[in-house]
Amino acid sequence: NAGVMQNPRHLVRRRGQEARLRCSPMKGHSHVYWYRQLPEEGLKFMVYLQKENIIDESGMPKERFSAEFPKEGPSILRIQQVVRGDSAAYFCASSPGQGNQETQYFGPGTRLLVL
Amino acid sequence: GENVEQHPSTLSVQEGDSAVIKCTYSDSASNYFPWYKQELGKRPQLIIDIRSNVGEKKDQRIAVTLNKTAKHFSLHITETQPEDSAVYFCAASITGTYKYIFGTGTRLKVLA
Repeated sequence: NAGVMQNPRHLVRRRGQEARLRCSPMKGHSHVYWYRQLPEEGLKFMVYLQKENIIDESGMPKERFSAEFPKEGPSILRIQQVVRGDSAAYFCASSPGQGNQETQYFGPGTRLLVL
Repeated sequence: GENVEQHPSTLSVQEGDSAVIKCTYSDSASNYFPWYKQELGKRPQLIIDIRSNVGEKKDQRIAVTLNKTAKHFSLHITETQPEDSAVYFCAASITGTYKYIFGTGTRLKVLA
């Protein structure tokens, strides 16, 4: 049973470019979460999605950031016009979606570096 | 909103000794508390969790205790080994929500 998959693992962008991060949840999981981890810091919640729905985006910056989880295919976290402060590790997690307080399983992360 | 504080930020112990990491949370509606271990450059991995209807849970050398009245929970690792060296994160999840609020992490170093 494959775990949570993320790609790319490393992404380098110049300021002003767009970054697209992909996350495929574990098989059978319908809930996806995105977290951001700055160097030497903890994980900060960004957004929680179910298939075709954004449930909670309270942690996501209002501008330049967007997320989707389409009916088919992976969840996408999109950052437009990246700035140096966007450099971080972005982790995706998934859970089965069968109730509250489920264990979330994390992917390997995408390390974004903005030059 | 919920806030989780974690202490200490760094912890060094001799191999074979015990390590204790403490977290406090602010929202009494939190009822699920997972602990994750993150090795350098790798994904966070769940090592143990506890729900608010339980005061203590143990899994081999790892245990977690929860004091709902005081709103704090702790991770206990006994007979530490060098491979226990990593960053450990506590988290809290509020009833009715799905997101985790993480602590700032504890860097544990087990000295051989």
